[in-house]
Amino acid sequence: KAGVTQTPRYLIKTRGQQVTLSCSPISGHRSVSWYQQTPGQGLQFLFEYFSETQRNKGNFPGRFSGRQFSNSRSEMNVSTLELGDSALYLCASSLETGGLGGYTFGSGTRLTVV
Amino acid sequence: AQSVSQHNHHVILSEAASLELGCNYSYGGTVNLFWYVQYPGQHLQLLLKYFSGDPLVKGIKGFEAEFIKSKFSFNLRKPSVQWSDTAEYFCAVRPDNAGNMLTFGGGTRLMVKP
Repeated sequence: KAGVTQTPRYLIKTRGQQVTLSCSPISGHRSVSWYQQTPGQGLQFLFEYFSETQRNKGNFPGRFSGRQFSNSRSEMNVSTLELGDSALYLCASSLETGGLGGYTFGSGTRLTVV
Repeated sequence: AQSVSQHNHHVILSEAASLELGCNYSYGGTVNLFWYVQYPGQHLQLLLKYFSGDPLVKGIKGFEAEFIKSKFSFNLRKPSVQWSDTAEYFCAVRPDNAGNMLTFGGGTRLMVKP
């Protein structure tokens, strides 16, 4: 079956702009989580969506937001980009929230802010 | 808030050597534990997970991990590494009531010399 699909794979934006990243989970998976990966801070949890509702949120400013659609696809948005937002953004999907299954990660979107 | 420590940032081994990567977490309640691997240029993949029961967990590719509750540790082991095990390894913790929010350690880069 198809894995977690993230688009686009690469993105270059200018400071002050906004960006939207997309994640299509594995078919049947209803939970989508987002993570930011940087060399300095490692992997940090951004937020989790389950059945179109935000279930958990990490310690990121309000410039980072997300949503989930009825087909479980999710988008995250970063407004007023800063240089420090340059990172690999990873999406992970699972069948349910807090369940016994693992999480399947996508290949990520590499965002560069110049 | 919970935290995860991986004390070995870089490990270099020769093929056939034994591997043990340390992982310690701080959280007072019940946790679920994971080890993920990221091969060069690839996405994060689940190696193994612990939810309850036998504290010795076996995963894919000959890896295993032991949960020692009294030491808040979940160390990853492999008796004999191969060159193809060269990758970055991440330990992650999920508190029992935290939905799908994973807290990751900083990662350990393993290089296996042929």
